Amino acid sequence: EDQVTQSPEALRLQEGESSSLNCSYTVSGLRGLFWYRQDPGKGPEFLFTLYSAGEEKEKERLKATLTKKESFLHITAPKPEDSATYLCVLLGAPAASKIIFGSGTRLSIRP
Amino acid sequence: NAGVTQTPKFQVLKTGQSMTLQCAQDMNHNSMYWYRQDPGMGLRLIYYSASEGTTDKGEVPNGYNVSRLNKREFSLRLESAAPSQTSVYFCASSPGLANYGYTFGSGTRLTVV
Repeated sequence: EDQVTQSPEALRLQEGESSSLNCSYTVSGLRGLFWYRQDPGKGPEFLFTLYSAGEEKEKERLKATLTKKESFLHITAPKPEDSATYLCVLLGAPAASKIIFGSGTRLSIRP
Repeated sequence: NAGVTQTPKFQVLKTGQSMTLQCAQDMNHNSMYWYRQDPGMGLRLIYYSASEGTTDKGEVPNGYNVSRLNKREFSLRLESAAPSQTSVYFCASSPGLANYGYTFGSGTRLTVV
């Protein structure tokens, strides 16, 4: 069965304290893995797409990596404005009907 | 600002009432989607429209219907609301079914009492 599991469920960090969020997955025929950020009361906001193992993407303090079983979202020297829920999304085959959202990691950065 | 607009933002319904959630996008995207988000669970796909004139069921379609009115608009209808449909509903769009940088609306928080 295709599934995606995010850990931890919640993470509290001090400003400047780097860490990583994990997304473990099993899927038949990975077509892509996506990371989204969701702020309270808002819709998810697209961050990255990863298509194959070994691929990396960066944006400001965020870096996403992909292996055959996991994806990591690394946060370097986070700021309070990075506080949000981060969602991992799996795309299998066929498209659309095989989109699986993880339940997210709630990240809180203390000043 | 360009994006996905959902209306209403909040709604309270009594069990058995009907309503339609509206969604419009102004990015000339071909594909549109309706998701629901429940506490502790990931977003789940209700229905999607790969292109104007087509609609397909997602993971949790029971109790819902959709209409792709034109390329811009995709509505979700609850014919007879049930408490189990209490959720936050998100509409999203993407350039095509094979291009997955979704743009989401801000959501509709629906409570069925």
